[in-house]
Amino acid sequence: GIQVEQSPPDLILQEGANSTLRCNFSDSVNNLQWFHQNPWGQLINLFYIPSGTKQNGRLSATTVATERYSLLYISSSQTTDSGVYFCAVGNNNAGNMLTFGGGTRLMVKP
Amino acid sequence: DAGVTQSPTHLIKTRGQQVTLRCSPKSGHDTVSWYQQALGQGPQFIFQYYEEEERQRGNFPDRFSGHQFPNYSSELNVNALLLGDSALYLCASSLGGNPGNTIYFGEGSWLTVV
Repeated sequence: GIQVEQSPPDLILQEGANSTLRCNFSDSVNNLQWFHQNPWGQLINLFYIPSGTKQNGRLSATTVATERYSLLYISSSQTTDSGVYFCAVGNNNAGNMLTFGGGTRLMVKP
Repeated sequence: DAGVTQSPTHLIKTRGQQVTLRCSPKSGHDTVSWYQQALGQGPQFIFQYYEEEERQRGNFPDRFSGHQFPNYSSELNVNALLLGDSALYLCASSLGGNPGNTIYFGEGSWLTVV
């Protein structure tokens, strides 16, 4: 199956700082989603981005499918951005299954 | 608009027992997927239900079974519980079973096996 690696595994930021989270995957994909998991466990969908670039407020994401990686940018971070960020991918071989990476644990300090 | 709802939110079971977790999908969604998330790891796909049938299954033993009802709600059953089954169980819903559709997760059911 597809292997998904996220980096860095842990990240501590001062409020207001910018950050870039990376997701590498081992096979071609037609489905890539970024999620934020809050401290209570709920996963919130941030982006569906199998290719190209999208922006939503202070967050943006870019996927370079040909090079098998995706980046999530967080600008002007806030304490509410804390939590775990997951990248999840899928392709035709995987059917409807999403394979998640190990996540990046982000802590934003006031 | 109600999102994905799961019950119970927390439960404790003894090894060897059986557990049933429940999920109601987001309004208008017809596809339900279940994931297991062990502490400190990413979620792992258990199976997906669409049109009341198991459409796809991940690498989980037969002790894990499920069901989807005509109203699209779903249950996850785990028999002969092991300590290693302790995890957060997440339900996700989507529309049409299309892999490209955005999926929405519930808040999960925290299962502790003692």
